[in-house]
Amino acid sequence: AQTVTQSQPEMSVQEAETVTLSCTYDTSENNYYLFWYKQPPSRQMILVIRQEAYKQQNATENRFSVNFQKAAKSFSLKISDSQLGDTAMYFCAFMTSRLTFGEGTQLTVNP
Amino acid sequence: DAMVIQNPRYQVTQFGKPVTLSCSQTLNHNVMYWYQQKSSQAPKLLFHYYDKDFNNEADTPDNFQSRRPNTSFCFLDIRSPGLGDAAMYLCATSGRQVWDYNEQFFGPGTRLTVL
Repeated sequence: AQTVTQSQPEMSVQEAETVTLSCTYDTSENNYYLFWYKQPPSRQMILVIRQEAYKQQNATENRFSVNFQKAAKSFSLKISDSQLGDTAMYFCAFMTSRLTFGEGTQLTVNP
Repeated sequence: DAMVIQNPRYQVTQFGKPVTLSCSQTLNHNVMYWYQQKSSQAPKLLFHYYDKDFNNEADTPDNFQSRRPNTSFCFLDIRSPGLGDAAMYLCATSGRQVWDYNEQFFGPGTRLTVL
């Protein structure tokens, strides 16, 4: 079975600072995709960043970057220069034939 | 803009009274998904359509059904809602092309309340 673990149920960070959200996963597959989704209080799930497992280079999208360690099955999300609008639930997700979500990390950015 | 639309955004029903939730998409994606998300939990996949092929998750209760009359629309029917079915229901789609097959695009969700 494929599992995704987010060990930090809640995190907080000061505005303009950097925060890292952790995610580990377990799979026997070699080809897969990893995602971080953001779900703000309005509840629409929005894709933040994606990573193809066959790519060694870590994905980056503006202030968001990942640290993908395939051997360790680790996929952490770094948010630089945190903004108040980054306050949301963040879900790590793993995709082969279906999307498997972690339990989420509630991130609060404080002014 | 191409998007995933869910109607209604909020739905109130009575215990045991059938309810239908609607999802439409303008992305021309061939895969459509329904997820159930309870408060502070991860979304749980109920079923998905690959074109017209219906794929039910093993632990989805029989109380939940789905219809996809065409590429654009998909419906979630709850035949006899119980109090435990109160949740946010998310519709998602993923695309036909190889490079975008694996990304899912989510609608805003329908929050279902069961009285």
